[in-house]
Amino acid sequence: KQEVTQIPAALSVPEGENLVLNCSFTDSAIYNLQWFRQDPGKGLTSLLLIQSSQREQTSGRLNASLDKSSGRSTLYIAASQPGDSATYLCAVSGGYSTLTFGKGTMLLVSP
Amino acid sequence: DAGVIQSPRHEVTEMGQEVTLRCKPISGHNSLFWYRQTMMRGLELLIYFNNNVPIDDSGMPEDRFSAKMPNASFSTLKIQPSEPRDSAVYFCASSFRIEGLPKNIQYFGAGTRLSVL
Repeated sequence: KQEVTQIPAALSVPEGENLVLNCSFTDSAIYNLQWFRQDPGKGLTSLLLIQSSQREQTSGRLNASLDKSSGRSTLYIAASQPGDSATYLCAVSGGYSTLTFGKGTMLLVSP
Repeated sequence: DAGVIQSPRHEVTEMGQEVTLRCKPISGHNSLFWYRQTMMRGLELLIYFNNNVPIDDSGMPEDRFSAKMPNASFSTLKIQPSEPRDSAVYFCASSFRIEGLPKNIQYFGAGTRLSVL
């Protein structure tokens, strides 16, 4: 059974810092990996999707990498802003539809 | 498009009562997912439908839970009878699945926060 772990569980940084969120998964037979953002009381918003054949994806200040063989992914956030404060969830797809989620990293960026 | 719409946003009920959660997926999407989120277990897939047909319900915790998708624009998740341990946030998500392609971004609703007293 696929297990997804995210470290750290919580992170607090001052505005402007670059930061890295980590995600690891136990079964490397994945189709893709996604990073989501969840704001309090809201649903999830997909940030980046990396196919199993890709090494990284970039969107603005966000860069996600994937090392499928070692079962790891990182989400890099450059020049963090208070508006980046949210919970970030990593999810892997072992089939065409189903996702297995980590428990998330709660990020607080202080002004 | 208004996105995935869930109702109600909040539900408070007493143990033993029937609870029905509703979801309207994004128009044109052919896959629908129900998830449950708790602090202890995180986000867990309960069931998913493809073209209105339940494909995998292995995540449904027990017989008290049932889900239906009578048409492409509506799904329900029912709990009968409800118990305090069912208290959680229930999310519905939809996607457009293309056969043979692994890329499948899921779009989530805002969730229903259920409290069973």
